[in-house]
Amino acid sequence: RKEVEQDPGPFNVPEGATVAFNCTYSNSASQSFFWYRQDCRKEPKLLMSVYSSGNEDGRFTAQLNRASQYISLLIRDSKLSDSATYLCVVFRMDSSYKLIFGSGTRLLVRP
Amino acid sequence: DTAVSQTPKYLVTQMGNDKSIKCEQNLGHDTMYWYKQDSKKFLKIMFSYNNKELIINETVPNRFSPKSPDKAHLNLHINSLELGDSAVYFCASSQPGQAPGNTIYFGEGSWLTVV
Repeated sequence: RKEVEQDPGPFNVPEGATVAFNCTYSNSASQSFFWYRQDCRKEPKLLMSVYSSGNEDGRFTAQLNRASQYISLLIRDSKLSDSATYLCVVFRMDSSYKLIFGSGTRLLVRP
Repeated sequence: DTAVSQTPKYLVTQMGNDKSIKCEQNLGHDTMYWYKQDSKKFLKIMFSYNNKELIINETVPNRFSPKSPDKAHLNLHINSLELGDSAVYFCASSQPGQAPGNTIYFGEGSWLTVV
């Protein structure tokens, strides 16, 4: 079982739609959580951090459920430019100090 | 003014060859990484150096050898290339301890194709 799991998609939605992605993580020692965005043939870039109380950045809302060990990302009023792969990322500091990436969920927003 | 730059961006080479990918960061970060992203898009850490010292060495064939001449550079040398080495290799850097969490900056990637 992968340490961070995501539905690969693709999620194909019309402009203006609301779409939600979920991610589960298996290591309860995980400390910090992030969503990264990766465009086709580009490097991953930080979209937003995920805080326990939930947080919002414009049209994007991230939530964390530590008890169930899952993270979500909600995108409202989807734009064509939101088309990308969204990577769920978990950070834990045990014997190592590293980020663990999910394999990503692909989003396609159509006109 | 690229923060994390890696070269070459594209590399096509034959099986059995030896090749290197270079990486430099101008962010003043202490920690640098090499990640591999395979055809299934799974981004997996290979190595991490903190201030020239190896701190993460995942299960990677010993044909892969990282070298960090100083904390701003982390190069990746690959010996006896195999077809399965074809992937995108991302260099990255971060400054551990800076809130929030471990924000990491990636280079643009090096597309390696072994034929």
